[in-house]
Amino acid sequence: KAGVTQTPRYLIKTRGQQVTLSCSPISGHRSVSWYQQTPGQGLQFLFEYFSETQRNKGNFPGRFSGRQFSNSRSEMNVSTLELGDSALYLCASSRGDRAGTGELFFGEGSRLTVL
Amino acid sequence: AQKVTQAQTEISVVEKEDVTLDCVYETRDTTYYLFWYKQPPSGELVFLIRRNSFDEQNEISGRYSWNFQKSTSSFNFTITASQVVDSAVYFCALSEPLQSTLTFGKGTMLLVSP
Repeated sequence: KAGVTQTPRYLIKTRGQQVTLSCSPISGHRSVSWYQQTPGQGLQFLFEYFSETQRNKGNFPGRFSGRQFSNSRSEMNVSTLELGDSALYLCASSRGDRAGTGELFFGEGSRLTVL
Repeated sequence: AQKVTQAQTEISVVEKEDVTLDCVYETRDTTYYLFWYKQPPSGELVFLIRRNSFDEQNEISGRYSWNFQKSTSSFNFTITASQVVDSAVYFCALSEPLQSTLTFGKGTMLLVSP
């Protein structure tokens, strides 16, 4: 079956701009989580959505937001981009029975570079 | 608060050597889950194993084996007879029950040379 699909794979933005990243989970998966990966901080949890509701949120500023649609697809948005937002953004999906207890399926990520 | 420590930043071995990746975790919960993920250069994290805190049995899957010891809060991963295709970054992670988030270690980069 098709895996988790993230678009775009690569993008370059300048400081102050905003960006929207998209994630299509595996068919039948209702939970989508987002993680930020940087060389310095490693993998950090951003947020998790289940049935269009944000179920959990990591320790990130309000510039980071997300949403989930009725078909379980998810988007995350970063406004007023800063250089430190340059990272690989990974999306993961699961059936939704509390993702922390089960296997997360990850996409290949969206690599954001902020100049 | 949960914490996962992978003290080895990078390990280099020659093909066919055995290698062990260390993982030490901290949690106040008695029920929790431990994971190992592999991240090849393509970027996606590939699930390798999940262990719950009540199951301390070691597990073997082909060339991979995992040693879970609650007494030392460790969940180590051993690759036997390493191969070049094993080259990747390996992450250990921890989650609590009813939580939908994973706390990851900083990862260990494994380089296997021919």
